[in-house]
Amino acid sequence: KAGVTQTPRYLIKTRGQQVTLSCSPISGHRSVSWYQQTPGQGLQFLFEYFSETQRNKGNFPGRFSGRQFSNSRSEMNVSTLELGDSALYLCASSPDRGLSTDTQYFGPGTRLTVL
Amino acid sequence: QQQVKQSPQSLIVQKGGISIINCAYENTAFDYFPWYQQFPGKGPALLIAIRPDVSEKKEGRFTISFNKSAKQFSLHIMDSQPGDSATYFCAASWPNTGNQFYFGTGTSLTVIP
Repeated sequence: KAGVTQTPRYLIKTRGQQVTLSCSPISGHRSVSWYQQTPGQGLQFLFEYFSETQRNKGNFPGRFSGRQFSNSRSEMNVSTLELGDSALYLCASSPDRGLSTDTQYFGPGTRLTVL
Repeated sequence: QQQVKQSPQSLIVQKGGISIINCAYENTAFDYFPWYQQFPGKGPALLIAIRPDVSEKKEGRFTISFNKSAKQFSLHIMDSQPGDSATYFCAASWPNTGNQFYFGTGTSLTVIP
């Protein structure tokens, strides 16, 4: 099975712009979560989508949004970019069999740099 | 507010030595505690995980020790190898909340040959 894929892998934007990142989960996985990884903060949960619905949301401003399509692929969008948004954005998919201990499988991430 | 606190930030160990990384949590509702390993340029990968109903879990050279009363858990890497050099993250999640995990800030492990 192919792993979680994320596109693009690298992105450079300027302040005020918006960006859309894409994630394709492992085939058959229904849950997709997004995390922001920065050196000082580690991984911080952004949101989780399941069956095209946002199931959980972390403590991020409304500039961060996402969606999930019927094929479980997901996108996240960041509007009005700020310098502090520079980070590695990770997507993780899970089969979500109703078990709280279901493994999350992470993609390689999209490295976003805001200038 | 960091729900899971991890230490140390970095660790250097000789080959064959024991690497120990510690995590502490506040919320007693957490019921699942995984450890992830991340190599440069890669996403984190699940290494080993534990539920609070057991005090220890071992998989090969990796062991999780769990102290429910102290709200602490740790990762022990026995016979550390240069290939173990990576960043390690502890995490925690609540039951029945889907896939929302709270991660520690990470520990950069370097194993010297």
